[in-house]
Amino acid sequence: GAGVSQSPRYKVTKRGQDVTLRCDPISSHATLYWYQQALGQGPEFLTYFNYEAQPDKSGLPSDRFSAERPEGSISTLTIQRTEQRDSAMYRCASSPGLGQDHEQFFGPGTRLTVL
Amino acid sequence: GQSLEQPSEVTAVEGAIVQINCTYQTSGFYGLSWYQQHDGGAPTFLSYNALDGLEETGRFSSFLSRSDSYGYLLLQELQMKDSASYFCAASGAGSYQLTFGKGTKLSVIP
Repeated sequence: GAGVSQSPRYKVTKRGQDVTLRCDPISSHATLYWYQQALGQGPEFLTYFNYEAQPDKSGLPSDRFSAERPEGSISTLTIQRTEQRDSAMYRCASSPGLGQDHEQFFGPGTRLTVL
Repeated sequence: GQSLEQPSEVTAVEGAIVQINCTYQTSGFYGLSWYQQHDGGAPTFLSYNALDGLEETGRFSSFLSRSDSYGYLLLQELQMKDSASYFCAASGAGSYQLTFGKGTKLSVIP
């Protein structure tokens, strides 16, 4: 596609519910990243994929967070048993890969609110 | 791990020049990127330095000194539309992860 897209743009859920966020990266991009961004802060790395492989999960806050990219294109981020502290903007980014990781193209984000 | 420090806010006059500094403490530092984010928008890539020195892209320039663990973003001929948050971000050798600073909110005033 022309850019990175994410859905939904806004999600309000109740504490304890599971949520799944979707990211559709730029079609030619090998690498896909997930970030969490609190208001007034910089994006914080969660995890990334190189095609369908997920070499680094070090930023995922807990085992309630998981991500998939089964066919090396679209990715989902799932948060199980949501807690109020999970409320944040979740951003997806993609890059061509291999040496181009410094230039990442960000999507519009999903604003998650946990009540 | 990596940590980056940058000023939280800067105010400058339209048409002037402003410099936003970034210092970093890292293990395995590879390069420094700069991103711009308008309120309600997504971060967009501005510039990248892997080597010491100045990189110029139009009105924006970025500088890196590895020996000083320091970099800056220079914005010239400021325009009102440059009002935004600016983030420095470090990448590590062998890692795809970007570590972002907390951002500098630039306000351009008439």
